[in-house]
Order: sequence, then C-alpha cells, then structure tokens
Amino acid sequence: QKEVEQNSGPLSVPEGAIASLNCTYSDRGSQSFFWYRQYSGKSPELIMFIYSNGDKEDGRFTAQLNKASQYVSLLIRDSQPSDSATYLCAVKHSGGGADGLTFGKGTHLIIQP
Amino acid sequence: DTEVTQTPKHLVMGMTNKKSLKCEQHMGHRAMYWYKQKAKKPPELMFVYSYEKLSINESVPSRFSPECPNSSLLNLHLHALQPEDSALYLCASSQIGERENIQYFGAGTRLSVL
Repeated sequence: QKEVEQNSGPLSVPEGAIASLNCTYSDRGSQSFFWYRQYSGKSPELIMFIYSNGDKEDGRFTAQLNKASQYVSLLIRDSQPSDSATYLCAVKHSGGGADGLTFGKGTHLIIQP
Repeated sequence: DTEVTQTPKHLVMGMTNKKSLKCEQHMGHRAMYWYKQKAKKPPELMFVYSYEKLSINESVPSRFSPECPNSSLLNLHLHALQPEDSALYLCASSQIGERENIQYFGAGTRLSVL
C-alpha cells in the first residue's frame, strides 16, 4: 500500500524566516514527487516537482529528494504571510505513465507577520 | 496556458437527482483524472482516463459514472448519491510520456448532497 506521511502541523514560522516541510513515502518504486499548495476552499496549485536525488531550486522554493531515505522536503526562504496555506506532498509511482497521485495529509503552514 | 475548467462551481442535489460534472482542458493532455476531496483531507484518486480510455478505477461506487467523450472533455455523472458524497470534486489533466507528468487541477466543483 502506497503511503505518504506528513506532519499535519500547524507549523508556525515568523515572516522572513525559512519554513521547512517534510514528507516520507513508503513505495520505494515511486518515481516523481510534487509539492502542491492549497489555500482554504481552493484547488491544489503546483509549487515544485522533483524526480532526481538532490536539490532543486526555483525562486524562494527548494525541493530536496533522498530516495534512499524515501524522504522529500520543501524549503521556503524569506517566508511571506501569503505563503500561509496547506502544503500537500504528492507521489507518483510510474514515470511517464498516466498514474494517479498519492497525497499526504498536508502540512498547515502559518507565517506570522 | 495551464487551465483546466470545471463546471459548475457549486452544486446542490437531492439523493434522487441525476447530475453531471464537467471538466475541459485545451492543453493537448491525453490523461485526465477525477479526485474527491473531503474537508481537511487530501485529494483521493477516483478515476484515470488515458487516451480517452478508463485506465484506473479506485473501487468507486457505481453511483459515480465517468465518461470521456473526447480528449478535451471529462464528465462525471452522478446518480442516487448519499450525503457522505458531499465533497470538493477535482479534475486534473496531464501529459503522458514525460518523466514528471505534472497534473494541473481545475478549481473544483463543490458538491452538497441533501
């Protein structure tokens, strides 16, 4: 059974600090990993994706993947109040195939002004 | 353009009604998905269409009936729903064959079953 685990929070971070979000997954055959941001009442919005071990940076966001430890993380630098949302870690088993995403329960992030 | 359009945005229906949710994308994606999201829970996969053919059905009750009339459209037909089926229904689409296969989500249809 494919499982994705996240700390549900809330995670409270001061404005301007680094927010660190973590995720572990159980299916060692997982190929692709995604971070979605979801505001209350809205649909998920893609923030980052990663499929190779190491770090991937995009603006204030850095995704980190360690397949040996089955661990994915998202760092948000210079956190802004607008970053307050639920962050969903999602895992896809297959590479290029049409396969559904398995989501973690999400981490509720609060950026304190 | 990464837009997936879902209609209606809100739907209220009785347990004896028949209604349909609609999803449309014009990104040339050949995979389309239905997810269900209950309050304060993550999205859960319901169905996957690949090249207009149903490829994954996550043991969804038959009162939910998906349809993919063409590569741009995805419908979800609803019949004899239960109050516990009230949720946000999300449609997504993606390419097939790319390593990352990013799924783009529509805004969702918020369904209330009375």
